Amino acid sequence: QITLKESGPTLVKPTQTLTLTCTFSGFSLSTSGVGVGWIRQPPGKALEWLALIYWNDDKRYSPSLKSRLTITKDTSKNQVVLTMTNMDPVDTATYYCAHSFLRYGISFDYWGQGTLVTVSS
Amino acid sequence: DIQMTQSPSTLSASVGDRVTITCRASQSISSWLAWYQQKPGKAPKLLIYKASSLESGVPSRFSGSGSGTEFTLTISSLQPDDFATYYCQQFEFGQGTKVEIK
Repeated sequence: QITLKESGPTLVKPTQTLTLTCTFSGFSLSTSGVGVGWIRQPPGKALEWLALIYWNDDKRYSPSLKSRLTITKDTSKNQVVLTMTNMDPVDTATYYCAHSFLRYGISFDYWGQGTLVTVSS
Repeated sequence: DIQMTQSPSTLSASVGDRVTITCRASQSISSWLAWYQQKPGKAPKLLIYKASSLESGVPSRFSGSGSGTEFTLTISSLQPDDFATYYCQQFEFGQGTKVEIK
């Protein structure tokens, strides 16, 4: 059974760096084809893909946010970490992590419950 | 950068209707397209991957087609549980289509 759970601060101040951790179970990020991605959703708005890391450490970033994002993995801990620098109130959103498997293309088949991050002074 | 554009943004339909949502990519993405359903307060649910493959457990009234730059999601007979927002995705997501009760 695949599960993912996001953790991190619920409130950050403008200009601060956000660090979110995705802790997962039921799969290994050392298995060929496996990836974990981050997606966010501002209140009442559309989904926005942020980043994706694969088993072979291949990393993909949203072009519009690439300069602010870093995604890393710790295979031994079953964790993926996303950092986003220079946070702004427009970055207020629910942040999700999700499982991907290349066999099924660029799709996310298992999702965490999401964590709401508010950016405010 | 590849942009994904969905239409319509909102769709009003009745139970039993056939519903079609379109997604266009700004450049060819082969068949690397997924469709999701999202209900308020919930994480998205994968419906279709690789443009036309039905995710396990998803009802057969959902189908996907297309390749290159133009894709469609079809619901053959809309059910009460299908009123939700639908998104297409390559890496980037489309802006969503809200399916409302007519």
